[in-house]
Amino acid sequence: GAGVSQSPSNKVTEKGKDVELRCDPISGHTALYWYRQSLGQGLEFLIYFQGNSAPDKSGLPSDRFSAERTGGSVSTLTIQRTQQEDSAVYLCASSLSGQGIGYTFGSGTRLTVV
Amino acid sequence: GQQLNQSPQSMFIQEGEDVSMNCTSSSIFNTWLWYKQDPGEGPVLLIALYKAGELTSNGRLTAQFGITRKDSFLNISASIPSDVGIYFCAGRNAGGTSYGKLTFGQGTILTVHP
Repeated sequence: GAGVSQSPSNKVTEKGKDVELRCDPISGHTALYWYRQSLGQGLEFLIYFQGNSAPDKSGLPSDRFSAERTGGSVSTLTIQRTQQEDSAVYLCASSLSGQGIGYTFGSGTRLTVV
Repeated sequence: GQQLNQSPQSMFIQEGEDVSMNCTSSSIFNTWLWYKQDPGEGPVLLIALYKAGELTSNGRLTAQFGITRKDSFLNISASIPSDVGIYFCAGRNAGGTSYGKLTFGQGTILTVHP
């Protein structure tokens, strides 16, 4: 597609439930990134996929968070046993290569855990 | 981890005024970036800086890469109502396995009164 597509745009879930957030990057972009934006905060790095290399998971806040990227394209971020502090906007970005300059962000998924 | 301190946190200005915001880092970056985020959207790249001391303009926006490589500033001249939004600085390290990963500042919320 023309841009980075994220779904759903909004998600309300009960504490303790699992959620899956989806990201469709720009076609041909080899690098894909997930960031988290809490209210009034900057963007917090979560995970980075570059081609066929092992992903950089150094930003995942706990083992309840995981992400995969299938076929070098679509990515899913999964949060298990959600907690209220997981409430945030989850932003996905992709770039043509792993240089981090030509990032294009999606509009994000706003997650609310009640 | 690395921290970017961005200031001010918010600004309220009159249309036509100039605006200045800056970021400082505890460590060196080899690239500085400035993004703008509109409500409900992902950040969009405004300016990229690649060399210490570099001064780059994009229309009414001017940004500089600090000579120490630990800071950057963004100026907006003759502000207009559509400049409203959140402005983020971001830094990227040289090399390593997370070449594409960006570290973001906390953001500056800009409000422009007509």
